[in-house]
Amino acid sequence: QKEVEQNSGPLSVPEGAIASLNCTYSDRGSQSFFWYRQYSGKSPELIMSIYSNGDKEDGRFTAQLNKASQYVSLLIRDSQPSDSATYLCAVYPMSGNTGKLIFGQGTTLQVKP
Amino acid sequence: EAQVTQNPRYLITVTGKKLTVTCSQNMNHEYMSWYRQDPGLGLRQIYYSMNVEVTDKGDVPEGYKVSRKEKRNFPLILESPSPNQTSLYFCASTSRTRTDTQYFGPGTRLTVL
Repeated sequence: QKEVEQNSGPLSVPEGAIASLNCTYSDRGSQSFFWYRQYSGKSPELIMSIYSNGDKEDGRFTAQLNKASQYVSLLIRDSQPSDSATYLCAVYPMSGNTGKLIFGQGTTLQVKP
Repeated sequence: EAQVTQNPRYLITVTGKKLTVTCSQNMNHEYMSWYRQDPGLGLRQIYYSMNVEVTDKGDVPEGYKVSRKEKRNFPLILESPSPNQTSLYFCASTSRTRTDTQYFGPGTRLTVL
């Protein structure tokens, strides 16, 4: 079992719709969770971090964490063509924040005008 | 400007010819990492370093070496490159006290013929 798993997609949504991206992780003791956005050929950029169960909202983005189910998701409201990118879920394992960040394989999102 | 720089950005080489990819950060970060990214596999950590002279293997260290003689620099060395090391490489750094934000370099696209 991979430590961090995502559906690679592509996930295709029409402009203005809600895009829902999902991620599961295997280390039950993980405490820190991140979503990165990566445009083709570019480096990843952090868009959301979440540490506690529940929802965290930032503009059109909402991160959701359920530690009991070992599940973290990202919702993008009012999706725009500029949101088309690969979204990477990342987790710090239980061993702590040592800089060893574990990434999922990424989900490609396509927002169609 | 806070940044992570990598050189070269693009490299085409032949099997067995030793090469070094440099990485430098100007933020006085303790932690630095090297990742490789391949289609469908996400970002996989090669090596990471928690401080000067402190390095450890990531998930895919075979065929790579690193050194951390200075805090700002973390070069990646391929002693005898092989075609399966053709990939997109990213260097990243983060502060020991603010591990929620990883700063990524622009990437190095390596092709080994």
